[in-house]
Amino acid sequence: KQEVTQIPAALSVPEGENLVLNCSFTDSAIYNLQWFRQDPGKGLTSLLLIQSSQREQTSGRLNASLDKSSGRSTLYIAASQPGDSATYLCAVRELTGGGNKLTFGTGTQLKVEL
Amino acid sequence: GAGVSQTPSNKVTEKGKYVELRCDPISGHTALYWYRQSLGQGPEFLIYFQGTGAADDSGLPNDRFFAVRPEGSVSTLKIQRTERGDSAVYLCASSLMGPWTEYNEQFFGPGTRLTVL
Repeated sequence: KQEVTQIPAALSVPEGENLVLNCSFTDSAIYNLQWFRQDPGKGLTSLLLIQSSQREQTSGRLNASLDKSSGRSTLYIAASQPGDSATYLCAVRELTGGGNKLTFGTGTQLKVEL
Repeated sequence: GAGVSQTPSNKVTEKGKYVELRCDPISGHTALYWYRQSLGQGPEFLIYFQGTGAADDSGLPNDRFFAVRPEGSVSTLKIQRTERGDSAVYLCASSLMGPWTEYNEQFFGPGTRLTVL
């Protein structure tokens, strides 16, 4: 059974700092990995999707990497801003079982302080 | 264009009651997914529809949970004899193509917060 772990569970940083969020998964047979943002009381906003054949994806100040063989992904946030405060979730889409469902980690709750 | 919408946004019910949660996917999306998110946890998969049929319902916790998508668009998640442990945020997502497509991306709705008293 696929298990997704995110470290740290919570993180508080001053504005302007660069930071790294970590995601690990136990089964490397994945289609892709997605990073989401979730604001309190809201749904999920997709940030980046990395295909299994890719090593990284970039969008603005965000960069996500994928090392499928070691079961790891990182989300790098450059020059953090208070508006980046949210919970960040990673999810993998597996090759087995129909390849349809996403398996999520428990998230990293980020707070960027002024 | 419009994203995934879910109604109601909040639902409070009493233990033992029946509830229905509705999801309107993005127009043209053939695949629809339901997830459940408990407090402090990531979403957990419940069921997946491809068109009108439930292609994978392996995540439904028990037979009190049922979902339909009769016309291949709107879906309803139905919970019978609700229990306090059913309290959670129920998220719906849709995607343009079916599962065997590498570039399948799921787009999520805002969720329905269910509270069972």
